[in-house]
Amino acid sequence: DTEVTQTPKHLVMGMTNKKSLKCEQHMGHRAMYWYKQKAKKPPELMFVYSYEKLSINESVPSRFSPECPNSSLLNLHLHALQPEDSALYLCASSQTGTSGADTQYFGPGTRLTVL
Amino acid sequence: EDQVTQSPEALRLQEGESSSLNCSYTVSGLRGLFWYRQDPGKGPEFLFTLYSAGEEKEKERLKATLTKKESFLHITAPKPEDSATYLCAVYTGGGNKLTFGTGTQLKVEL
Repeated sequence: DTEVTQTPKHLVMGMTNKKSLKCEQHMGHRAMYWYKQKAKKPPELMFVYSYEKLSINESVPSRFSPECPNSSLLNLHLHALQPEDSALYLCASSQTGTSGADTQYFGPGTRLTVL
Repeated sequence: EDQVTQSPEALRLQEGESSSLNCSYTVSGLRGLFWYRQDPGKGPEFLFTLYSAGEEKEKERLKATLTKKESFLHITAPKPEDSATYLCAVYTGGGNKLTFGTGTQLKVEL
């Protein structure tokens, strides 16, 4: 089973709202990722957690705040977003993230619209 | 800086018309090359991982090959359900970072 789940599927929020995206995997993977994808573009890496510790932050604005409560869960807290933040947000996981080229498995994504 | 280039950007095939997608890369120390399929509005679906030149992998109508400079995704006798964007990505170590190409949008028509 290589399933990564994400909730919600769709989210519409105003620029003053606070919301959270959730991601879950039960493959025993110890690395989890957040990506942002705009239309007709490849995914762009935002954050990487390895063994529940933030290991990569790709200079993402502070209005995006990641959290990894345990090895199976990954959250992305959103606050004071801008319309240009509207995109498909993808979660992925991989086995260790520390040795060699682990395959990353992606979730179905959350379609975020910021009004 | 690592670079991944995919060609063509878009490809239209008739059902049954075989073809190949190209992924060329310029990286320092390839650790792995990945192929994904992505349907509109959905997350990328993993297809193949290739680690070293000469390696080949197959799955149904798809076959991926790897050389020292590029990878090909061969599609044999495609069907309309093969229509999707195919993404290539490389991993060069030094962090858990994939570098993606911009994808090839494939459309297979009846």
